[in-house]
Amino acid sequence: GAVVSQHPSWVICKSGTSVKIECRSLDFQATTMFWYRQFPKQSLMLMATSNEGSKATYEQGVEKDKFLINHASLTLSTLTVTSAHPEDSSFYICSARDRVYSGANVLTFGAGSRLTVL
Amino acid sequence: QQPVQSPQAVILREGEDAVINCSSSKALYSVHWYRQKHGEAPVFLMILLKGGEQKGHEKISASFNEKKQQSSLYLTASQLSYSGTYFCGTVTGTASKLTFGTGTRLQVTL
Repeated sequence: GAVVSQHPSWVICKSGTSVKIECRSLDFQATTMFWYRQFPKQSLMLMATSNEGSKATYEQGVEKDKFLINHASLTLSTLTVTSAHPEDSSFYICSARDRVYSGANVLTFGAGSRLTVL
Repeated sequence: QQPVQSPQAVILREGEDAVINCSSSKALYSVHWYRQKHGEAPVFLMILLKGGEQKGHEKISASFNEKKQQSSLYLTASQLSYSGTYFCGTVTGTASKLTFGTGTRLQVTL
């Protein structure tokens, strides 16, 4: 089945630094990837839609200059949290839609990246 | 707007049944159901497309009422492994954006 790899699985950084999270589709091509954020005991909230070769589409209230998304190839999307602050600490999860079977809109999720900003 | 799930939490004894409801304020194109264990990513359970279908997956099944913009997940003869948080995900258009519901925490005990 479709596999999405996300790296790193956890990261601890100091306030003010930037952190990059990678999301790769391992055995399929993904024209569209989605980035979600989940705070403890809450639901997953969509941050942005990442489209291969074009600019990402951000959800209302998500700062595009703070959460930089790059989708340079059909198998890789990256999320960079710039100038991270403790309130950015969260569980970040990416998902990808299989280009071939996209008609069913089934998403495959990565394992998630837990970010802790000190 | 985020779909609302009910109940928020439920505790079951092994072997009991449960129903989780998902209600949207928008017309639905499809409904997805996921289960998430603590600290892990959501795991896909099933997808229901508009047309009012019902699906089954072993002892877990779901229904989709397009007119009422609702879906329900049915867990029968629950097992300990069913414990986790269940999310419905709704797609309201062709853009394929998946909006997750508020979540239902399910705990199955002996």
